[in-house]
This record gives sequence, structure tokens and C-alpha cells, in this order.
Amino acid sequence: DVVMTQTPVSLSLAIGQPASISCKSSQSLVHSDGKTYLSWILQRPGQSPKRLIYLVSKLDSGVPDRFSGSGSETEFTLKISRVEAEDLGVYYCWQATHFPLTFGSGTKLEIK
Amino acid sequence: QIQLVQSGPELKKPGESVKISCKASGYTFTDYAMHWVKQAPGKGLKWMGWINTYTGKPTYADDFKGRFVFSLEASASTANLQISNLKNEDTATYFCARGATTDYWGQGVMVTVSS
Repeated sequence: DVVMTQTPVSLSLAIGQPASISCKSSQSLVHSDGKTYLSWILQRPGQSPKRLIYLVSKLDSGVPDRFSGSGSETEFTLKISRVEAEDLGVYYCWQATHFPLTFGSGTKLEIK
Repeated sequence: QIQLVQSGPELKKPGESVKISCKASGYTFTDYAMHWVKQAPGKGLKWMGWINTYTGKPTYADDFKGRFVFSLEASASTANLQISNLKNEDTATYFCARGATTDYWGQGVMVTVSS
């Protein structure tokens, strides 16, 4: 199985500060079709997950452009240019290139 | 708008069975696979498998082979998850999610297994 390693485990940031979350996979996530099926999802407290970014860097509709995704092969990053109060929750990366699909262990973002 | 609406919370005893549903609306049901994800209390997300909503063929992750069954009521745009012979460790919230890139998620169903 592909292991997705996320760091840090938690972040405590003030509003307006930047955030960066790393996700590393144990195998390349480039699919045989040439696409890289790496997504970032956010689970706010008490809510179901919501996808923010797919195919490494494509923002979902309605996701603020302060979010960005980058990376390739085995190393990926989610960045928030300026954290806002609504950004608190747990962020997960996950891959759908290889079966079984696997999630990172999550990064909890707290607002100071 | 696109929605996945799941059934309500369940309280079951060990050994019993449970069936939870995920009703899709706002798109053509058979155009997207349906994935199932487990979240134990206070824990992360674990992929359980998926069902091809066009053919009805299910695929299970290794940890979910045997007691778990994915099924469809395609005419009702509904995907179901049935768990038999429930164990305490099945206590979790179960989510359905659309497509391999999970662009839409259900609200989750809390299943509690307790004697």
C-alpha cells in the first residue's frame, strides 16, 4: 500500500499567517494515464470532509485562492497564503493513483 | 445542486447487521463511482472501497472483505453499505463520496456498536 506521510501533525497559527503542509508518498503518484491523483481535503470540526484541491493543484470551485497545491511524483505541499478563522480543521492529503486508495494521517490547523 | 444524503445514526448490538444508505441527487448517478470511507471516533480516514454505479461491481479494500457489502438501488440513485456480524471496532462514522477524487461527500452516518 502507498503510505502517505503528512507533516506537521498540527499547526497553531494566527489569522493572517501563512501555512504549509507537506505530504510525501512512498511511491510515485503518477498514474499510467499521466495524471497525478493527489487531493487535499479539509474536515472542519463536526463536519464531513470537503475537497479543496485535486490533481495536485486544481482548486475546487468556491475554494479561496489563498489555497494552493503543488508538487510532483512523491512530494506535495498545500499552502495557505493567509490563514483565516474558517480554515481551522484537519487537512488530509490522499491518493487515488494506486489501489488501495490511501489517506495521510492529517494535519490539525488551530487558530491562535 | 449535487448532494449525497446519508441515512440516520444507528445503534446496534454486537453480532447484528446494519444497512446505511447514500442517496445522490443533482447529477446522473451512474456517471460516477461511489466510494466508502470509515472514520473511527477521533481517528483519521480509511478507504473501504468503491462500487461501480454503472455495472454494480464492488471493490473492497483488504480490511473490508467479508462482512461488508456495497450495493445499489440505481433506480433510486442510492448506494448502500451493509455490515454484518457487527463488532465493537465497527463503531465509526461512515461516509460515501462521489468518484475517485471524492469531489462530494455525504454528511456521514454514525454507527455505534455496543452491548
